[in-house]
Amino acid sequence: AQSVTQLGSHVSVSEGALVLLRCNYSSSVPPYLFWYVQYPNQGLQLLLKYTSAATLVKGINGFEAEFKKSETSFHLTKPSAHMSDAAEYFCAVSPSGGYQKVTFGTGTKLQVIP
Amino acid sequence: KAGVTQTPRYLIKTRGQQVTLSCSPISGHRSVSWYQQTPGQGLQFLFEYFSETQRNKGNFPGRFSGRQFSNSRSEMNVSTLELGDSALYLCASSYPGQGGLETQYFGPGTRLLVL
Repeated sequence: AQSVTQLGSHVSVSEGALVLLRCNYSSSVPPYLFWYVQYPNQGLQLLLKYTSAATLVKGINGFEAEFKKSETSFHLTKPSAHMSDAAEYFCAVSPSGGYQKVTFGTGTKLQVIP
Repeated sequence: KAGVTQTPRYLIKTRGQQVTLSCSPISGHRSVSWYQQTPGQGLQFLFEYFSETQRNKGNFPGRFSGRQFSNSRSEMNVSTLELGDSALYLCASSYPGQGGLETQYFGPGTRLLVL
């Protein structure tokens, strides 16, 4: 069985501040982990994907995430928040490495305060 | 290159009816996945097709079905609609990229309202 837990359904940061969105996973097999973003009234967009090649994964729009096996975490960070980062972010896990049988977290809404 | 397109964008149906949603992947993409998004259950994987074959299926009742055509276009069908089927249905296509890493692209979704 696999699951992800996103800590904090809503996160607010000031423009220019560090963005930290938390995700912890549970998986009986080595996991493949993803972060997605959903802008208001739009579909999802894949931000980044961890496939065990490197523990620090760089994604689009300046986001990155670090896989920490000892902490079973895959937190998403961005050094400096921009107004355009306001969206909902989903962490997800898959046992297979592909996008099949993906299990999503409940999402974290990021608010950026000017 | 055109993105993933989904039709229709909005749909209103009544309980007991059936509905068919369509997804056209990005040209050259052979894998199409479907997801359901609701306020109560969040995002859930429905099924995935590759080269006209269903490779994976999520935990949904048999009322939810799909297929993929030879041109990779995919349809999903929901029969005997229930109020709880009201949701945003998302389709995504993917293609193996460099180093075997796939990149996945989503369509804008079809918003289904069941009355």
